[in-house]
Amino acid sequence: SYVLTQPPSVSVAPGQTARITCGGKNIGTKSVHWYQQKPGQAPVVVVYDDTYRPSGIPERFSGSDSGNTATLTISRVEAGDEADYYCQVWDSGSDHYVFGIGTKVTVL
Amino acid sequence: EVHLLESGGGLVQPGGSLRLSCAASGFTFSSYAVSWVRQPPGKGLEWVSAISGSGGTTYYADSVKGRFTISRDHSKNTAYLQMNSLRAEDTAVYYCAKVKSTLSMEVFDYWGQGTLVTVSS
Repeated sequence: SYVLTQPPSVSVAPGQTARITCGGKNIGTKSVHWYQQKPGQAPVVVVYDDTYRPSGIPERFSGSDSGNTATLTISRVEAGDEADYYCQVWDSGSDHYVFGIGTKVTVL
Repeated sequence: EVHLLESGGGLVQPGGSLRLSCAASGFTFSSYAVSWVRQPPGKGLEWVSAISGSGGTTYYADSVKGRFTISRDHSKNTAYLQMNSLRAEDTAVYYCAKVKSTLSMEVFDYWGQGTLVTVSS
């Protein structure tokens, strides 16, 4: 089955840039989606189809996807960005959704 | 406005059964696939099951196949997850999520607030 690999944690100072990676075999050929989840809340999609932002999501959130790695970039990080972030793909080979283990972003 | 409301969670003994409901509003229910995603306490998201807009195609994670059954009732705008032979490792918050597109299964654009299922004796 398809596996997505994320770092468990990323720490970043306010105003700096956080980059969260999501590794998978030939993930560049898949559409990657990113969710933000704050404690006690349901996940919210922040980037979909590799690079698109839903309405209401700040431009500070951006995505890229190439080769074996997809990346969620959060620019000018704010305290309110502290959350868990999950990457996700639809694996058409198995007809399964796949989530990464999640990355906890800590704002120092 | 799209709204998804889960219900039916609770405490159940190992080997028992439970049926979760997901009441949907704010969109044409029969046009969109719906999925269940769970999150064990303190852990990450795990996809459980999905059903196409028509209800004609269902999908299951290997961990629940043969034990869980997903269905939908278009007259009630509600999706269901029948859970049988429950195990301790099924303990989690169960979220209902709507698929964004009518043309593909790719991404979830709306989620409910979740319902907690606890499997314990």
